Amino acid sequence: SQQGEEDPQALSIQEGENATMNCSYKTSINNLQWYRQNSGRGLVHLILIRSNEREKHSGRLRVTLDTSKKSSSLLITASRAADTASYFCATGHGGSQGNLIFGKGTKLSVKP
Amino acid sequence: DAGITQSPRHKVTETGTPVTLRCHQTENHRYMYWYRQDPGHGLRLIHYSYGVKDTDKGEVSDGYSVSRSKTEDFLLTLESATSSQTSVYFCAISGGTSGRVTDTQYFGPGTRLTVL
Repeated sequence: SQQGEEDPQALSIQEGENATMNCSYKTSINNLQWYRQNSGRGLVHLILIRSNEREKHSGRLRVTLDTSKKSSSLLITASRAADTASYFCATGHGGSQGNLIFGKGTKLSVKP
Repeated sequence: DAGITQSPRHKVTETGTPVTLRCHQTENHRYMYWYRQDPGHGLRLIHYSYGVKDTDKGEVSDGYSVSRSKTEDFLLTLESATSSQTSVYFCAISGGTSGRVTDTQYFGPGTRLTVL
């Protein structure tokens, strides 16, 4: 069953603009992660935010988490053409096997 | 790609034939996962392993079996492939060398399987 739901499904912006993607989920979580997937490649882990955290930064990435609304957002500042990719949120539930549930992704296109 | 390889990278097969996909890691991570990725569905977990010979089912396990006889190898078998199993298959690992669950997963490059 799908847990995370990204919004929008597709986003097209110009280089230098900021890109914001949102993720909503249904049940309580232990952590929420964002992954990037370039066309034809595997997923790459970007950032993890735990349920007791509200905001986290990594380079040009900023992630927020609102557990009361069961939602998260990923902000990419000063986007570059190389940021063109699909972005997935994944929720972790603290289980003993480390299983994640992935959303369907947001396809970001950054035009030079 | 965190020392994860998948083979083959591409495969075309016919309905009813058995197919085995291999995931190999050099990182000594305890946990290994098989996902399939389809348009409109994102990634869905097929099976996972939490140690040698220890495996369990994921969300979409019907029609698939797995085996893990060594830490470094996790095999996914389609006993009798069907067209609905046409997909891109990803292997992932986590857990590090400590064996404790860590939350981050590292993905292989994927195998594109077409069942005619």
